[in-house]
Amino acid sequence: QKEVEQNSGPLSVPEGAIASLNCTYSDRVSQSFFWYRQYSGKSPELIMSIYSNGDKEDGRFTAQLNKASQYVSLLIRDSQPSDSATYLCAVGRNTDKLIFGTGTRLQVFP
Amino acid sequence: AAGVIQSPRHLIKEKRETATLKCYPIPRHDTVYWYQQGPGQDPQFLISFYEKMQSDKGSIPDRFSAQQFSDYHSELNMSSLELGDSALYFCASSPGRESYEQYFGPGTRLTVT
Repeated sequence: QKEVEQNSGPLSVPEGAIASLNCTYSDRVSQSFFWYRQYSGKSPELIMSIYSNGDKEDGRFTAQLNKASQYVSLLIRDSQPSDSATYLCAVGRNTDKLIFGTGTRLQVFP
Repeated sequence: AAGVIQSPRHLIKEKRETATLKCYPIPRHDTVYWYQQGPGQDPQFLISFYEKMQSDKGSIPDRFSAQQFSDYHSELNMSSLELGDSALYFCASSPGRESYEQYFGPGTRLTVT
């Protein structure tokens, strides 16, 4: 079992809809949680970080963290075709290395 | 805003050759991480440095070594290259004690033939 689990998808949503991506992790001492977007052949781009239980909003993105359930999610509102990419959930402990999930491929169709 | 710089962007080597990858972190970032990403896989941590000292080590082969220099740039040295070393190699930098966020460079695509 991987330390960070994600549904590989693809997750297909129509343009303008809300995309919901989920991630679970196994290490209870994890303290830092990140969502990265990665286009094919490109580098991971940090889009959200969250450290405390609850929601954190940034533009069209909302990250949700529930440490008791060891669960992190990312909501993308008003999805656009340009949001089509692989979304990587990453978990860390302070300045330690990041442990990545295998990523969820999101497809937004017009 | 300045980003992480990696060179070269593409590298083709033959088996048993040596390769050196370079990483220049974002200014004032004191922590550097190296990750390897194979085709269709998630990034795997190799090694990290904080203030020029190795801070953590992951699944890095003994054939690989790395260091961080006084100007905070880092180099990943890979010897006796194998076909399986073909991958994308990313460097990420972080402000370290100020923030745990890691920012990735564009990567070096290494192809071993």
